[in-house]
Amino acid sequence: AQSVAQPEDQVNVAEGNPLTVKCTYSVSGNPYLFWYVQYPNRGLQFLLKYITGDNLVKGSYGFEAEFNKSQTSFHLKKPSALVSDSALYFCAVRVYSGGYQKVTFGTGTKLQVIP
Amino acid sequence: NAGVTQTPKFRVLKTGQSMTLLCAQDMNHEYMYWYRQDPGMGLRLIHYSVGEGTTAKGEVPDGYNVSRLKKQNFLLGLESAAPSQTSVYFCASSQGRQGISGANVLTFGAGSRLTVL
Repeated sequence: AQSVAQPEDQVNVAEGNPLTVKCTYSVSGNPYLFWYVQYPNRGLQFLLKYITGDNLVKGSYGFEAEFNKSQTSFHLKKPSALVSDSALYFCAVRVYSGGYQKVTFGTGTKLQVIP
Repeated sequence: NAGVTQTPKFRVLKTGQSMTLLCAQDMNHEYMYWYRQDPGMGLRLIHYSVGEGTTAKGEVPDGYNVSRLKKQNFLLGLESAAPSQTSVYFCASSQGRQGISGANVLTFGAGSRLTVL
């Protein structure tokens, strides 16, 4: 089965420190990978995606993610965390089922940036 | 520039009642999706549609029905609500077709919080 996993329910980091939110995937073929962010009482917002090309993908709000095929990972990173980055982060993968494509999400990781 | 609009935003139902959640998008997207979000379980796909007049089952379709009579609208129905359907429901849409920039990116609505007593 094709899936994506986020091993950490919550990540705490001090403001100004680098942050990493982990994601691993399991898909057949070439993966399409995504990160979305959800602020309280809001819908999810797209951050970045990996389709092909450079393994380091840059996205919105200073976030980036590194695609690692050998480790089947797509970790989200930011060099210097802001308090305003505190939110729920979802990793997602595009999968094919019954001839149609759809997007499957991980369980989410709550990022808490401490002032 | 509304994007994806969900109505209603909040609803309280009694067990056995029925209701319909409406999702409307103004981006001419082909694909539309209904997800439910529950604590510790992330987003789970209920049903989705790859075009007007088509629907397909997702991971957790039981107890729900959908319709896509118009390209811009995707309705989620609960015929007989159960407490297990208490959740936050999100609609999303995407261009869907390959080769188009941003084809795979989902645009989400703000969510509909449903409580079933």
